[in-house]
Amino acid sequence: KQEVTQIPAALSVPEGENLVLNCSFTDSAIYNLQWFRQDPGKGLTSLLLIQSSQREQTSGRLNASLDKSSGRSTLYIAASQPGDSATYLCAVANAGKSTFGDGTTLTVKP
Amino acid sequence: GAVVSQHPSWVICKSGTSVKIECRSLDFQATTMFWYRQFPKQSLMLMATSNEGSKATYEQGVEKDKFLINHASLTLSTLTVTSAHPEDSSFYICSARQGMWSGELFFGEGSRLTVL
Repeated sequence: KQEVTQIPAALSVPEGENLVLNCSFTDSAIYNLQWFRQDPGKGLTSLLLIQSSQREQTSGRLNASLDKSSGRSTLYIAASQPGDSATYLCAVANAGKSTFGDGTTLTVKP
Repeated sequence: GAVVSQHPSWVICKSGTSVKIECRSLDFQATTMFWYRQFPKQSLMLMATSNEGSKATYEQGVEKDKFLINHASLTLSTLTVTSAHPEDSSFYICSARQGMWSGELFFGEGSRLTVL
């Protein structure tokens, strides 16, 4: 059974800092890994999708890496802004469905 | 990215009534949609996988007679909470996969259900 762990559970940083969120998974036979953002009371917004054959994806200030063999992914956020404050979830897809981590709640202080 | 629309965004109902929540993929066809339940400050709990034209696959512990799922077309899946009780109050979210197994997941905005 796939298990996904996200560390840290919560993170608070001052505006402008670069930061890294971590995601690890136990079964490396995945189709892809996806990072999402969730604001309170809202659905999930897709940030980045990394296919199993890829090593990283970039979108603006976000960069996600994937090391399938070690079961790890990182989400790097550059020059953080207060508007980045949200919960970030990673999800790995295999066996027809996706397994989600519990998320990292990020607070960026002005 | 693709758009998934969920309706209603919030609903209040009396205990014993049934509530239907719709999930639509607006600009792509989705053979597979997923329904989740989320409790405050917790991650998503997968309830069931909805497959177009066939019966939904429910996760262990989810009552299929309680949570009826219908996926009648490639752009619409519905979740009906039957004979709702206060403990069914929760945030329900749907997602749709674009393409096949390795396709990107897109989520609806979520539906807040409150059962009085």
